[in-house]
Amino acid sequence: QSALTQPASVSGSPGQSITISCTGTSSDVGGYNYVSWYQQHPGKAPKLMIYGVSNRPSGVSNRFSGSKSGNTASLTISGLQAEDEADYYCSSYTSSSTYVFGTGTKATVL
Amino acid sequence: QVQLVESGGGVVQPGRPLRLSCAASGFTFRSYAMHWVRQAPGKGLEWLAVISYEGSKEYYADSVKGRFTISRDNSKNTLYLQMDSLRVEDTAVYYCARVRVEVSRLDACDLWGQGTMVTVSS
Repeated sequence: QSALTQPASVSGSPGQSITISCTGTSSDVGGYNYVSWYQQHPGKAPKLMIYGVSNRPSGVSNRFSGSKSGNTASLTISGLQAEDEADYYCSSYTSSSTYVFGTGTKATVL
Repeated sequence: QVQLVESGGGVVQPGRPLRLSCAASGFTFRSYAMHWVRQAPGKGLEWLAVISYEGSKEYYADSVKGRFTISRDNSKNTLYLQMDSLRVEDTAVYYCARVRVEVSRLDACDLWGQGTMVTVSS
């Protein structure tokens, strides 16, 4: 149950787009469409941003989008805003009927 | 109001047990699978365990298998995490979370509690 691999940090200027990758294996990310993304601000609980690889829950801005290719999932934030500065975690269901989170990415708005 | 409220955290000595609770309100608790997730200070999220909506199926991370037990009492709308043989490295904020869709275990978590802090120290 190794954590999924994410870049430690990504950054962009307001209005730009950033993409966060999440690399796993065929036993997790590559094998199932149960990949989700969470946003976490300091001292707060995680918030669901994307489920089922590319679906947005009600109330989440359409500036957030998800995709997957092979064993790598991606979260893209377009039209970057100051409030998007946060930690982002991917998560996937696994072949062991368990779940695994990514290592986490700190998104910085320059 | 739809919410999850964790309780039971605190300071505990290594090797001692502790039980966390997660009180659910505002939704049909018995229809949803539930998770426990933790976050050590300054670290990332770590998935711990999931229990099916009716309580018949449980799955655990290797890091806690055999030491932690997830359970639920649907008559009390409450989720539990029994933590035995605690270690210093179990120090973390512990969150409970609800699976997004009824009955299924196989979906994301759309409702999270505020977390409860567990500190394991002598």
